[in-house]
Amino acid sequence: SQQGEEDPQALSIQEGENATMNCSYKTSINNLQWYRQNSGRGLVHLILIRSNEREKHSGRLRVTLDTSKKSSSLLITASRAADTASYFCATDAAGTASKLTFGTGTRLQVTL
Amino acid sequence: DGGITQSPKYLFRKEGQNVTLSCEQNLNHDAMYWYRQDPGQGLRLIYYSQIVNDFQKGDIAEGYSVSREKKESFPLTVTSAQKNPTAFYLCASSGTAQETQYFGPGTRLLVL
Repeated sequence: SQQGEEDPQALSIQEGENATMNCSYKTSINNLQWYRQNSGRGLVHLILIRSNEREKHSGRLRVTLDTSKKSSSLLITASRAADTASYFCATDAAGTASKLTFGTGTRLQVTL
Repeated sequence: DGGITQSPKYLFRKEGQNVTLSCEQNLNHDAMYWYRQDPGQGLRLIYYSQIVNDFQKGDIAEGYSVSREKKESFPLTVTSAQKNPTAFYLCASSGTAQETQYFGPGTRLLVL
């Protein structure tokens, strides 16, 4: 079963705007990761945030984690057309060593 | 040039046929994974292996089999028992449990 659920399922914005995607999960986690997938390709790791961290930055990416609400958000600032892709959160649930459970993804479309 | 490769890119299966998808990595990673992705969906774990000569079932192992005879290789066989094999198959590897996973480019399996 899916551990993570992303919201919204699809998001369309214009270049230069910010994009925010949310992920909710069900059980306690060790860490939460965000991945990106271009159409028909493999996934690329973006950022990992551990359960004892609240916020993390990487370039134009900002990830927050609220373990009390079992939720995370990914913010992409100043979006570009090249950011068009699907974005997935993946959780490493506590007690399930080496297994990641992926959400259903948010499809982001950035238009010029 | 380090990475993870999958072959073939496209694979066609006839009724009642077993087919094998290749996954090779030269990242010296201990753990390897197979996922299935259906259109517009997230990834579901088929099998994973944390060490050579050992592997565990994931969430949807029925109709699939794997082997892990070498650290670099983790082939997936889609057997005739898998009645709905049409999907995009992704292989991944990671250095240790609970770390970032690196993905191959995927194999798209179609049924004739």
